[in-house]
Amino acid sequence: AIQLTQSPSSLSASVGDRVTITCRASQGIGSALAWYQQKLGHPPKFLIYDASTLKSGVPSRFSGSGSGTDFTLTISSLQPEDFATYYCQQFNSFPLTFGGGTKVQIK
Amino acid sequence: EVQLLESGGGLVQPGGSLRLSCAASGFTFSVYTMSWVRQAPGKGLEWVASVSDLAGSTVYADSVKGRFTTSRDDSKKTVYLQMNSLRADDSAVYYCAKDLGGWDVFDMWGQGTTVTVS
Repeated sequence: AIQLTQSPSSLSASVGDRVTITCRASQGIGSALAWYQQKLGHPPKFLIYDASTLKSGVPSRFSGSGSGTDFTLTISSLQPEDFATYYCQQFNSFPLTFGGGTKVQIK
Repeated sequence: EVQLLESGGGLVQPGGSLRLSCAASGFTFSVYTMSWVRQAPGKGLEWVASVSDLAGSTVYADSVKGRFTTSRDDSKKTVYLQMNSLRADDSAVYYCAKDLGGWDVFDMWGQGTTVTVS
């Protein structure tokens, strides 16, 4: 199975900060990576697929990049509603796997 | 409005069985692969199983293979997860999720149903 390692596992940031989360795959997956946001007590929300394609309706402050084994999710200017846990997911091959998550907290 | 509504969760003893259901509305159910993803308390997300559209082929995580079975009834717009030989480490919130149409990513999720094995 392809393992996804996210870093950091948590971070503290202020409103307006630029935030970058990294997801590293244990083997090359092309651009077959998605990102989700999850708030406590709620199901995940789909943000990005194919490494950099934003789902319709997702704010443009979110962006994704990368290919092969190294990927990033960037929030250009953190907003109060962005404090949540973020997960990457590979869809290159089954079993589908998720990263361990990155919790973005208020500084 | 696209909606997924899970049901069937609850408390079950180790070795027991449970069947989860997920009723879909607001989209053409029959043309999408449907999946189950679970989340143990305080933990991350784990993909469990998927059932494809058309032929209804299925694929499972190794952790549930041979114990869980997923199926779908397109006439009822419902997907099922039959869980047998349940173990304590199967305790989790189980989410039903719709794929993006040809992409094995999850663009819509239900609210989840809680399974506790104890």
